[in-house]
Amino acid sequence: KAGVTQTPRYLIKTRGQQVTLSCSPISGHRSVSWYQQTPGQGLQFLFEYFSETQRNKGNFPGRFSGRQFSNSRSEMNVSTLELGDSALYLCASSWTGTTNTGELFFGEGSRLTVL
Amino acid sequence: GENVEQHPSTLSVQEGDSAVIKCTYSDSASNYFPWYKQELGKRPQLIIDIRSNVGEKKDQRIAVTLNKTAKHFSLHITETQPEDSAVYFCAASTNTGNQFYFGTGTSLTVIP
Repeated sequence: KAGVTQTPRYLIKTRGQQVTLSCSPISGHRSVSWYQQTPGQGLQFLFEYFSETQRNKGNFPGRFSGRQFSNSRSEMNVSTLELGDSALYLCASSWTGTTNTGELFFGEGSRLTVL
Repeated sequence: GENVEQHPSTLSVQEGDSAVIKCTYSDSASNYFPWYKQELGKRPQLIIDIRSNVGEKKDQRIAVTLNKTAKHFSLHITETQPEDSAVYFCAASTNTGNQFYFGTGTSLTVIP
């Protein structure tokens, strides 16, 4: 089985621009979640999608948004980029159903640098 | 919301010694506690997890203990090896989907 795939792996943007990151989950996984990883802050939850619906949302401003398609692929978008948005964005998929919580399978991440 | 604290932030041990990493959580509704290992430049991977109906779980050299009353859980690695060197993250979640609250990580170095 192919693992979680994230694109692009690296990108550089300037303040004020927007960015879209893509995530393809493991086949059969319906839950896709996104995390922001920064040094010293660990992994911070952005949002989770399950069957095209946002099921959970973290404490990030509205500039951060996402969506999930019928094939479970997910995208996240960050608008009006700020310097503090520089981070590794990790996508994770899981096979769990509507209520259970289980193992997250992470992608390699998209490293965003905002100049 | 949930708050997970993790200590220590860095830990160095001699090869063969044991390592212990501790986490506390604040939300009594949390009932699933995984531990992830992230090697340098790689993705986090689950190494062990425990649910709130169990007090201890062991898998070869690693074990996790959970104290629901005190709201803390710990990772124990025995007979450490250089390949155990990595950053370890604890996490907590309720049974409402895959929203995890992670600790800030412990950088473990095993000295040969």
